[in-house]
Amino acid sequence: DAGVIQSPRHEVTEMGQEVTLRCKPISGHNSLFWYRQTMMRGLELLIYFNNNVPIDDSGMPEDRFSAKMPNASFSTLKIQPSEPRDSAVYFCASSPGGNTEAFFGQGTRLTVV
Amino acid sequence: GENVEQHPSTLSVQEGDSAVIKCTYSDSASNYFPWYKQELGKRPQLIIDIRSNVGEKKDQRIAVTLNKTAKHFSLHITETQPEDSAVYFCAASLPTDKLIFGTGTRLQVFP
Repeated sequence: DAGVIQSPRHEVTEMGQEVTLRCKPISGHNSLFWYRQTMMRGLELLIYFNNNVPIDDSGMPEDRFSAKMPNASFSTLKIQPSEPRDSAVYFCASSPGGNTEAFFGQGTRLTVV
Repeated sequence: GENVEQHPSTLSVQEGDSAVIKCTYSDSASNYFPWYKQELGKRPQLIIDIRSNVGEKKDQRIAVTLNKTAKHFSLHITETQPEDSAVYFCAASLPTDKLIFGTGTRLQVFP
């Protein structure tokens, strides 16, 4: 397995534009997490899914953020409209579930100018 | 809500010395406690984990301890080496798989 795959690796966009981040979890994993990493706040959990169902989205900062998992092999995190304070590294992670190791993707570095 | 506090935020040690990072969690239902290491520009990777029915676990130079009563857990690295320099994150997971991370500790090991 290639591991958790995220795209794009880097994204630079202008304020007000829509941004879509993509994630392909490891096959067979039941849990999928989206995290945002900044120097000030470390790794913040935005939302997580179990068997494609959103379980807890209390970490999603605002209505500008939304996430979907239409099937077991794909998830998206969308920001619309984007703002400069959204600049961060966004990680997707997946795990088999049952409190086991979460494997991280390589992250998407988002810069909003 | 669930919260994980981590201390210190930075730690500098001499090569060969020990390093200790401490975390506390707020939700007593937490039952799984992994530790991740993140090197500069890379993804976090698991280095060791411990479950709530275990008080201590060791893997070569690293060990973790868990005090469920106090809701504390710690990472101990002995005989530190320059390649141990990285950011270390503790985390706590609820039975629902909700995985919350601490804010990280930047460890620097000087030769």
